[in-house]
Amino acid sequence: DVKVTQSSRYLVKRTGEKVFLECVQDMDHENMFWYRQDPGLGLRLIYFSYDVKMKEKGDIPEGYSVSREKKERFSLILESASTNQTSMYLCASSLWSGRTGAVHNEQFFGPGTRLTVL
Amino acid sequence: KNEVEQSPQNLTAQEGEFITINCSYSVGISALHWLQQHPGGGIVSLFMLSSGKKKHGRLIATINIQEKHSSLHITASHPRDSAVYICAVRGGADGLTFGKGTHLIIQP
Repeated sequence: DVKVTQSSRYLVKRTGEKVFLECVQDMDHENMFWYRQDPGLGLRLIYFSYDVKMKEKGDIPEGYSVSREKKERFSLILESASTNQTSMYLCASSLWSGRTGAVHNEQFFGPGTRLTVL
Repeated sequence: KNEVEQSPQNLTAQEGEFITINCSYSVGISALHWLQQHPGGGIVSLFMLSSGKKKHGRLIATINIQEKHSSLHITASHPRDSAVYICAVRGGADGLTFGKGTHLIIQP
């Protein structure tokens, strides 16, 4: 079974703090994603990585950065947390389509981190 | 940018009823996902499909590429099917663009 884990289920931080959210997958997936989920807005893509040290901006990258130093780990960084970054953060991973020949592959999600910024 | 619309937003039904959740999108796609999210946040991928129909247990997903429309059906619904069901299509940068979800409650 694919396993995607996130470092914390719940996190409370103060405005201005630097926040690290960690995601680890154990299935040798090339692609990793960070989403945030907000009531009324649904899930939105923040950043995406398709290989070590590679990253792509998603739909809402402002205020975030990412790090992919190892294939299994994808970190989301809030350089200076703000209250509007209070949200549920979900990590996901998938195989690169070149490995399977498929146009697109199933994404596997972590359990989520509920971040509150005070 | 693809716009993904789901209907209904909320659905309450009795145990045993046949459930249909609809998803429409605005731009042609290569694949569509149906996801299930239980209280507490965990998301599970139910289906990924690019044409036709897929079935898994009591769940059936269909897609009409020409009409840019997909449906998720649940037969013989059960209270444990209560969850948020989310439709998603491949969006920018190979990530997903999501609908806002359908909140389903099955009453015993």
